[in-house]
Amino acid sequence: GAGVSQSPSNKVTEKGKDVELRCDPISGHTALYWYRQSLGQGLEFLIYFQGNSAPDKSGLPSDRFSAERTGGSVSTLTIQRTQQEDSAVYLCASSPEGGLYNSPLHFGNGTRLTVT
Amino acid sequence: GESVGLHLPTLSVQEGDNSIINCAYSNSASDYFIWYKQESGKGPQFIIDIRSNMDKRQGQRVTVLLNKTVKHLSLQIAATQPGDSAVYFCAENEAGSGGFKTIFGAGTRLFVKA
Repeated sequence: GAGVSQSPSNKVTEKGKDVELRCDPISGHTALYWYRQSLGQGLEFLIYFQGNSAPDKSGLPSDRFSAERTGGSVSTLTIQRTQQEDSAVYLCASSPEGGLYNSPLHFGNGTRLTVT
Repeated sequence: GESVGLHLPTLSVQEGDNSIINCAYSNSASDYFIWYKQESGKGPQFIIDIRSNMDKRQGQRVTVLLNKTVKHLSLQIAATQPGDSAVYFCAENEAGSGGFKTIFGAGTRLFVKA
């Protein structure tokens, strides 16, 4: 069984460009989370999806950030008009029961985004 | 908002010694706590968890202690090995709009000296 897969692993973009980050969760996992981790820092919650419920977007830092989850599986995090402060590692995680029950998260290795 | 934090940002221990990593949490309503290990270039990996109806839980070489009175969580690693060198995060689940969401503390970097 494959783990959580994220692509690309590294992304360098120019300030002002849009970027899309992809996450393939573990098959069958109903919950999917996005976190942001700046260098040497902890994990900042961005958004999570649980089944067919409306996503919890309370952690998104601005309206430049958005995320979708299609068909209850793959998710895309989009950052529009990127700024240098968006540079960070973006981590995706999934869990089998997600927000309905307490269970640990399974993380991908992240996408390192650098905005020049 | 509510937060989970750590007392020590870095910890250096001798190989073979026991390590103790501490964490304070502020959300008294949290009832599930998790420790994760993050190695360089990788995502965090689950180590051990504990629910609020317990005060101690043991795994292989690791023990988590929960003190709800003072809202304190600790991770003990027995006979620390070089492979234990990593950043350790405590996390708590708090209620969100669709269920529970996991909130992470700042992390403690553990260095194991050979």
